[in-house]
Amino acid sequence: SQQGEEDPQALSIQEGENATMNCSYKTSINNLQWYRQNSGRGLVHLILIRSNEREKHSGRLRVTLDTSKKSSSLLITASRAADTASYFCATSGSRLTFGEGTQLTVNP
Amino acid sequence: GAGVSQSPRYKVAKRGQDVALRCDPISGHVSLFWYQQALGQGPEFLTYFQNEAQLDKSGLPSDRFFAERPEGSVSTLKIQRTQQEDSAVYLCASSPARDPQETQYFGPGTRLLVL
Repeated sequence: SQQGEEDPQALSIQEGENATMNCSYKTSINNLQWYRQNSGRGLVHLILIRSNEREKHSGRLRVTLDTSKKSSSLLITASRAADTASYFCATSGSRLTFGEGTQLTVNP
Repeated sequence: GAGVSQSPRYKVAKRGQDVALRCDPISGHVSLFWYQQALGQGPEFLTYFQNEAQLDKSGLPSDRFFAERPEGSVSTLKIQRTQQEDSAVYLCASSPARDPQETQYFGPGTRLLVL
């Protein structure tokens, strides 16, 4: 079973626009992670935010975490065609539990 | 440096065949994980090793699935008497942390197709 649920399932935007993906989860967590997966490849870790943090930045990425609402968002600013990929949130319990992902398409 | 590698990258098996999938983690990484990813889905946890000890195998879907990491480095996931529902991408990940909740580094996966 998968705890995290990403929203939307698919997102298509133009290069230069911002992309926002959301993740909701059900049980308490120690941290929440976001991963990217290009088609046919493994997952690449993007960012980890701990339960006592509210916001974290890494380059063009901004992640927020609201533990009261059990939700997180990933914002990619000034998107590029190379950002086209699936994005997964993973919540920590005794192990990482991944959502079903958001498929992001950035059109040149 | 070298990342996590997996072999083979693609495997086609006839139903009923046994298969063995190999994972070479990043050197020195203590923790190793196996996941199963169906098409269009997120990875599903299968099993977790800390060094050579298999600490969690609760995600293995049946007793046809077996994983080992005898020397605390390379790991093998074996599937006996493969079934069509075993068709998926099998991902291996490793981590320098003992805590399975920390960042994991993934290999490219082995795509298994059972005919």
